[in-house]
Parts: sequence; C-alpha cells; structure tokens
Amino acid sequence: EAGVTQFPSHSVIEKGQTVTLRCDPISGHDNLYWYRRVMGKEIKFLLHFVKESKQDESGMPNNRFLAERTGGTYSTLKVQPAELEDSGVYFCASSQRDVGGSTIYFGEGSWLTVV
Amino acid sequence: GNSVTQMEGPVTLSEEAFLTINCTYTATGYPSLFWYVQYPGEGLQLLLKATKADDKGSNKGFEATYRKETTSFHLEKGSVQVSDSAVYFCALSATGTYKYIFGTGTRLKVLA
Repeated sequence: EAGVTQFPSHSVIEKGQTVTLRCDPISGHDNLYWYRRVMGKEIKFLLHFVKESKQDESGMPNNRFLAERTGGTYSTLKVQPAELEDSGVYFCASSQRDVGGSTIYFGEGSWLTVV
Repeated sequence: GNSVTQMEGPVTLSEEAFLTINCTYTATGYPSLFWYVQYPGEGLQLLLKATKADDKGSNKGFEATYRKETTSFHLEKGSVQVSDSAVYFCALSATGTYKYIFGTGTRLKVLA
C-alpha cells in the first residue's frame, strides 16, 4: 500500500514567487493534515481536512497560505507570495480516524527554500 | 496550553552506547504520546507510542514509558548503532483532539 506522497520533494524559489505543494494521502484516509517545520524549530500544525472540508486551519500563519482538497482526495498548499521566513519543511499526513491517539502517517516532506 | 519539551541536541554517542533522550510534556487530561524519527533524506516515521499512563512503547530496540507522575516519556535504547543516527521528535496528542504537538527534535549522531 502506498504511503503519503508529497511533491515536489525540494523547491527553491525567489521571494515573491508562488509555490504549490501537493499531497496524496493514503487511500481511504479521510483525514489529511499539513504541518511545517521551520529550521531548528518544532513541527507545527497548520490545518486539518476531513474529506474536502477544512476542520481546523488555526495553524495557518497568514493569508499568503491557501490549502485546498479537491474532491476529498489530494490536497494542495499554495504560498503566494513566498517570503524568506516561509522556508522549511512542509509535511503532509493522513489518518483514518481523527480522534486523539490515532496514528497519523507522514509523508517525506516538501523542502522549501525561499531566497 | 499543551506543550512538549525535549532535550537539546545534538547528541553524539559511540556505537553500542546507551541512549536517553528526555521528553517532558504539559497537557490537560490524558494525552497519547509518540516518538517519531526522521532519518537523513526521509520523512517522519512513527517509532513508538503509548496511549495511557504506565504503558511502555517499544520498537527496534527503543523503549519509552508513559510516566504521568513526572509527565515524561523519555526515549531509551540500550545499544545504539550507526544506523540510528537521525532526528527524534517527541509528540503528544491531547485527549479527543487530532493535533499533534511536537518537540523541537533531538539530533542523534552515532559514531562507529
């Protein structure tokens, strides 16, 4: 069974440009999450989808970030315009259940560098 | 609010040494606790977990015991290998929620 896949694995863009990250969750997982780790800091929650609906986007840093999940399948996270402080690793994760204690499965991350 | 505190890294050990990475947490109720590992060039992988007090999670020779009295979930391994070199993250999931709260990560380097 395929795991959570993310694309691109690495991206280097200039400040002010736009980047779109894609995540394909494990098949059958209704819950999809985005997390981010800025260099040397903790991994922080960004948002949570249940199917195509945003359940919680309290972790989104500002309105330059837009997440979508078309048809409840894959998800995209767009950063527009990118700023230097957006550099980091963006992790996508998915799970079957959305209650505490459930294991969530992470992808390999999309490494974003804004120069 | 909920939080996780891990020991600062990097931790450098010789092969076959004993490993302890400290993790303490602050949370209301009865959170579930996790250790995730990120090997170089790879994503986050669940290493072990414990869902209630006194539970011991174990995997690949690593162990951690959920200690509610000390609010800790320290990661231990009796004999580390070079292949254990990675970044280790302690995390919690509070009761009834889906958000994971992570620590800052501890980089482990094992020398042959």
